[in-house]
Amino acid sequence: GNSVTQMEGPVTLSEEAFLTINCTYTATGYPSLFWYVQYPGEGLQLLLKATKADDKGSNKGFEATYRKETTSFHLEKGSVQVSDSAVYFCALRRMDSSYKLIFGSGTRLLVRP
Amino acid sequence: DVKVTQSSRYLVKRTGEKVFLECVQDMDHENMFWYRQDPGLGLRLIYFSYDVKMKEKGDIPEGYSVSREKKERFSLILESASTNQTSMYLCASSSPGGVGSYEQYFGPGTRLTVT
Repeated sequence: GNSVTQMEGPVTLSEEAFLTINCTYTATGYPSLFWYVQYPGEGLQLLLKATKADDKGSNKGFEATYRKETTSFHLEKGSVQVSDSAVYFCALRRMDSSYKLIFGSGTRLLVRP
Repeated sequence: DVKVTQSSRYLVKRTGEKVFLECVQDMDHENMFWYRQDPGLGLRLIYFSYDVKMKEKGDIPEGYSVSREKKERFSLILESASTNQTSMYLCASSSPGGVGSYEQYFGPGTRLTVT
């Protein structure tokens, strides 16, 4: 079946540290891949996306590259800020389903000053 | 600015009560979704609707029903609330048209506690 696996959190970093949150997926075909972010007390917001292999999504200093060979979509940021503290969700949309997203379990990031 | 609103941020109900969670979007989206979010489980799809009066079960529909009488409004109904339905409920909407990734826009969530 289709699934998304994320590294367990929480991830605790100091400000300006390098961030990697791992995400791997299982799916048939070529799904679209997403990272969503949920700030405290809010709903989810789309952070970035990639729709085909080798695409790189980027936004707000975050990047993720769609790696078909390793079925991965790891989230990276070179220098995190306290304001990046949130829960990050990796998700996929199957090509045979126009509607459904399949989410990972989420990774909480805490950035200390 | 796109907007998905949910009727309550926090709700406390008693076991056995009928509970209505309301969601409204102002983007003229065809698709609307209800998820529940639980620690360690991520988001799980309860129901979705791809048009007015059209609905499909998601991954965990048991104990829930939905109503979509107007395009902008999608209601989640707990017929007889139980303590295992204590959770955060998130509504989302998306447009299916055109080339793209069918981005889903989320509301702020309703944290429901059933006692």
